[in-house]
Amino acid sequence: DAKTTQPTSMDCAEGRAANLPCNHSTISGNEYVYWYRQIHSQGPQYIIHGLKNNETNEMASLIITEDRKSSTLILPHATLRDTAVYYCIVRARGNQGGKLIFGQGTELSVKP
Amino acid sequence: DVKVTQSSRYLVKRTGEKVFLECVQDMDHENMFWYRQDPGLGLRLIYFSYDVKMKEKGDIPEGYSVSREKKERFSLILESASTNQTSMYLCASSLRGGGIQETQYFGPGTRLLVL
Repeated sequence: DAKTTQPTSMDCAEGRAANLPCNHSTISGNEYVYWYRQIHSQGPQYIIHGLKNNETNEMASLIITEDRKSSTLILPHATLRDTAVYYCIVRARGNQGGKLIFGQGTELSVKP
Repeated sequence: DVKVTQSSRYLVKRTGEKVFLECVQDMDHENMFWYRQDPGLGLRLIYFSYDVKMKEKGDIPEGYSVSREKKERFSLILESASTNQTSMYLCASSLRGGGIQETQYFGPGTRLLVL
C-alpha cells in the first residue's frame, strides 16, 4: 500500500470549511484513497473513500487530483465535534485480509 | 448503520491473568480484525478472521490467541497478560468482496491496563 503524507496539525474556525490535504505521490492504479478519523479515546470512524472521481456523502467531500497524487478531505461546516485526528490511507481493493495502515494523521482542532 | 461493539471500554488486569476481549458486529460481516494502538506506533494488526473458525496471524500475534465460533463474534485472548500488553485494543469488521464492502468499521476500543 502506498505511503501518505499529511500535515501534523491544523486549526479551523467553527462553521467554516475544513480542508485537509493528503499527498500520495506513489499511488498505483488499483489503490483507493480512504479517510478515517479518530476522536480522542474512541475507535476510528470511516468517513469516505474514492478512486479517481470526487465523492461526497453526508459527512464530507473528497477531492482527488487528476493525476491522483494528492487529495483533499473537505468538512463543509466544521463543528467542535469534528475535532479529531484525520487519517488518509491508500489501499488496494481485493486485499481481503489486509490491515489498514494508519500514519500519523492530521490533528484537526476546531475552535469556537 | 454498521455497529461494532466491544465488551469493555476500560479493563484493569494483573500480570499473568487470562484476559478475554470480546467483539460483536451486527452487520453479517465475514471479516473481523483485532488491532492494538499505541502512541507513536499507530495501529498494528494482531489477528484477523475471514470466516467462522478461520483465523490468520497479523503482524504481532505473539502472546495472543483468537476465537471465532460465530460469525458475529470475534474474541481476543491474552493467555497470560503482561505489562507490555497495556494498550488500546480495537476491533473492526468488513464485508468480503469488492466495492465499498471492504471498508473496515471499528468498535469503540478497549483500553487495557495490565499491572
